[in-house]
Amino acid sequence: ETGVTQSPTHLIKTRGQQVTLRCSSQSGHNTVSWYQQALGQGPQFIFQYYREEENGRGNFPPRFSGLQFPNYSSELNVNALELDDSALYLCASSFSGRGLLNEQFFGPGTRLTVL
Amino acid sequence: GDSVTQMEGPVTLSEEAFLTINCTYTATGYPSLFWYVQYPGEGLQLLLKATKADDKGSNKGFEATYRKETTSFHLEKGSVQVSDSAVYFCALISSGNTGKLIFGQGTTLQVKP
Repeated sequence: ETGVTQSPTHLIKTRGQQVTLRCSSQSGHNTVSWYQQALGQGPQFIFQYYREEENGRGNFPPRFSGLQFPNYSSELNVNALELDDSALYLCASSFSGRGLLNEQFFGPGTRLTVL
Repeated sequence: GDSVTQMEGPVTLSEEAFLTINCTYTATGYPSLFWYVQYPGEGLQLLLKATKADDKGSNKGFEATYRKETTSFHLEKGSVQVSDSAVYFCALISSGNTGKLIFGQGTTLQVKP
């Protein structure tokens, strides 16, 4: 069974640029959630995708957007990067179904540095 | 809104010592509660969970009991090992939620030989 993978591992960008982060779900999972983890903090929920549609969003501005593809992989896009966007971005996949607890399995993350 | 508060770290213990990491939560209804562990350079791994009051989650010698009366979910281990050194996160999913995990700020555990 293949776990959750993310790419790239590390990324350096400058203010104002745009970035795309990628996530491949664990086999059999149909839901992807994205989290931002600033240094020394707990992860903060960005949004979740289920069957290619956004299914819940945290307190993040519209310049954070996402996609989920038919194979349930996902992208996180961030426009107009700011210094505070520097963080570890975590993807988590899960299987959403009636009556099931949405247990989430995390990837290793992408470390984004904005200069 | 819902939130999770963990004890401040870092926690430094000698091998075979007893571990407690405190976690309290604020939530409406009956959330599900989790402990995640993050080893250096890695993503989060689910350590244990409890979905209703008085449930005890356990895994790899770690335990936590869902206490609704005190809104707590403290993590314990009777004898820690150097390999337990990591950052531990307490988290919840609100009842009726689609799966948004709300995390505490994390507690760093360092175990010395």
